[in-house]
Amino acid sequence: EVQLVESGGGLVKPGGSLRLSCAASGFTFSNAWMSWVRQAPGKGLEWVGRIKSKTDGGTTDYAAPVKGRFTISRDDSKNTLYLQMNSLKTEDTAVYYCTTGSYSPPYDAFDIWGQGTMVTVSS
Amino acid sequence: DIQMTQSPSTLSASVGDRVTITCRASQSISSWLAWYQQKPGKAPKLLIYKASSLESGVPSRFSGSGSGTEFTLTISSLQPDDFATYYCQQYNSYSLTFGGGTKVEIK
Repeated sequence: EVQLVESGGGLVKPGGSLRLSCAASGFTFSNAWMSWVRQAPGKGLEWVGRIKSKTDGGTTDYAAPVKGRFTISRDDSKNTLYLQMNSLKTEDTAVYYCTTGSYSPPYDAFDIWGQGTMVTVSS
Repeated sequence: DIQMTQSPSTLSASVGDRVTITCRASQSISSWLAWYQQKPGKAPKLLIYKASSLESGVPSRFSGSGSGTEFTLTISSLQPDDFATYYCQQYNSYSLTFGGGTKVEIK
C-alpha cells in the first residue's frame, strides 16, 4: 500500500524550531520528488517547498515565506523526508502535509498525500 | 511567482446541477495545471492533472479543460459526495502555487 505518514508536529514558541518527518512506503521513494504543503486553520493550501530525487539533482526549492528559515532534506536509505523549521512565526501555524506525484516529470501533480501533522506556533 | 486566481470563491448548487469553476494564471503555464478536491479534516485528493487528464478512480463527471492562462473544472452532474472545496494548482515553474479555493455548498 502506498503511504506517507508525517510526524513531529506540536506546540512551539515563536522563534523556536521543529523538525517534521514523513515516512514513505509502497513506492520507490528514491525516485520521487517530494513536497511539503501546508494549510493554516480555515485557509487554503500553500506549497512550502520541494526536493527532487538525487538522480534529478536533489535540488530544493522553497516558497518565499519560508525561504531561509525552512530546510527540506531526505534520507533515501530510510525512505524518509524531513522539514526543518527554524525561526518559527505565528503565521507558520498550519497542518503540514507531505506529498508527491506519480506522473511523468515534473512530478508536481500530487496524487499521494500524508494525513498531515499540526504545527502550532504560539507563546 | 505565478499567481492563481479561482472563481467563484463560493458556489451554491443543487444535486444534478452542472458546475464550472474557473482558474486563471498570471502568466502562461501551458497545461501544467492540477485540480484537487478537499473535504474537512482530510488531505486533498487529486482529480485532474495536466489540465485535462482524469486521475485514476475519479468519476467521469469531473472534467478539466484549458491551456495557457485560463482553465476550468466542470462537474457535469453534481452528486452529494461532491460538496467540498476545490483547488487548482500550477506546476509550470520551480515555485508551485495553489488557487484560493472554491467551496461548493448545498443550495
